[in-house]
Amino acid sequence: AQTVTQSQPEMSVQEAETVTLSCTYDTSESDYYLFWYKQPPSRQMILVIRQEAYKQQNATENRFSVNFQKAAKSFSLKISDSQLGDAAMYFCAYRLNTGTASKLTFGTGTRLQVTL
Amino acid sequence: DVKVTQSSRYLVKRTGEKVFLECVQDMDHENMFWYRQDPGLGLRLIYFSYDVKMKEKGDIPEGYSVSREKKERFSLILESASTNQTSMYLCASSLGFGQARDTQYFGPGTRLTVL
Repeated sequence: AQTVTQSQPEMSVQEAETVTLSCTYDTSESDYYLFWYKQPPSRQMILVIRQEAYKQQNATENRFSVNFQKAAKSFSLKISDSQLGDAAMYFCAYRLNTGTASKLTFGTGTRLQVTL
Repeated sequence: DVKVTQSSRYLVKRTGEKVFLECVQDMDHENMFWYRQDPGLGLRLIYFSYDVKMKEKGDIPEGYSVSREKKERFSLILESASTNQTSMYLCASSLGFGQARDTQYFGPGTRLTVL
């Protein structure tokens, strides 16, 4: 079974600085997707960024980028120019690409604090 | 914008009660999901559905059942609520599978307390 590990329960970053959240996963498959989701306090979870395993190029979305290391099974999220609104719980997730129904497997989350 | 709504934000029930959690999405999504979220455990999939009247067990289906009679609505049923089912329940939906169709959109969650 696939597992997703987020080893940092909590992280803190100063406003305008850069922070990297770690995620590793375990799979024997080669075709899959990886995701970072953000859950702000008392608000709905939203997708931050998505990476296809067959793409070598790291995905980016504005201030958010990933470092995808397929051989190392590592998928870290970098947040540049951190803002107060980035404070949230961040979840890393994995989904096997079967072409049909398949589930997301989530990590345990990293709570990010942003300080002034 | 995709909207996923859940019938209650907070719910308090007693042990042994039958509990219904409702989820509705308004974007004609094929797939719907029920998760529970617990501190230190992340999100765990209970059940999902990829079509009307179709369902698949997730990682922790025991003590739960689901119903999807209409495409837009996915219900989670606790047949006989127990205290260990006290949790945050999140519903999600996605357009389909593959490419960007599999992005899941989440509801606001229902915090269920079983006394």
